[in-house]
Amino acid sequence: AQSVTQLDSQVPVFEEAPVELRCNYSSSVSVYLFWYVQYPNQGLQLLLKYLSGSTLVKGINGFEAEFNKSQTSFHLRKPSVHISDTAEYFCAVKESNFGNEKLTFGTGTRLTIIP
Amino acid sequence: DGGITQSPKYLFRKEGQNVTLSCEQNLNHDAMYWYRQDPGQGLRLIYYSQIVNDFQKGDIAEGYSVSREKKESFPLTVTSAQKNPTAFYLCASSPRTSWELFFGEGSRLTVL
Repeated sequence: AQSVTQLDSQVPVFEEAPVELRCNYSSSVSVYLFWYVQYPNQGLQLLLKYLSGSTLVKGINGFEAEFNKSQTSFHLRKPSVHISDTAEYFCAVKESNFGNEKLTFGTGTRLTIIP
Repeated sequence: DGGITQSPKYLFRKEGQNVTLSCEQNLNHDAMYWYRQDPGQGLRLIYYSQIVNDFQKGDIAEGYSVSREKKESFPLTVTSAQKNPTAFYLCASSPRTSWELFFGEGSRLTVL
């Protein structure tokens, strides 16, 4: 069965500093990977996704993530954060085999930008 | 505009009452999902449906029920059997081609 771990529940970062939010997954088959962002009292919005191809994926709002199969990781990065990036970020995994329709989410990382 | 509409946004109910949360989408997506969100626990899958008139239990289906009579609609009923119903409920839909989930704005249920 698939699972995903986000080790950092909260990450404080100064404005304009770089940030990395960590995500590790577990699966016995190949996977699809996603990062979502949630602003307070709202639904989730897709930041980026990895389905196949290049392991470096670029998303919206200047975020990017790198798929590392050997380390089973999909860490999210941004070189310079802004106040507006304050939100909760969720990593998600889906096994690519036919018949598995479930997307499993991590517990989330709350990113707080310090002015 | 295309999207997913959840209603109501806020709902208060007394313990022991059944509650139905509405979810409608006009994205023509085949798949629809219900997630429950609690602080520090991320999103947990309650039920999902890949086609009309068919649905499967997720990881925490006990105390919930759903129906999928139309492609556009996937209502969730929180029954009196659900031990801790107070939570934020999120509905989502997805096309089969990309597996990207499109979320509604959520419904916050408080049981008094």
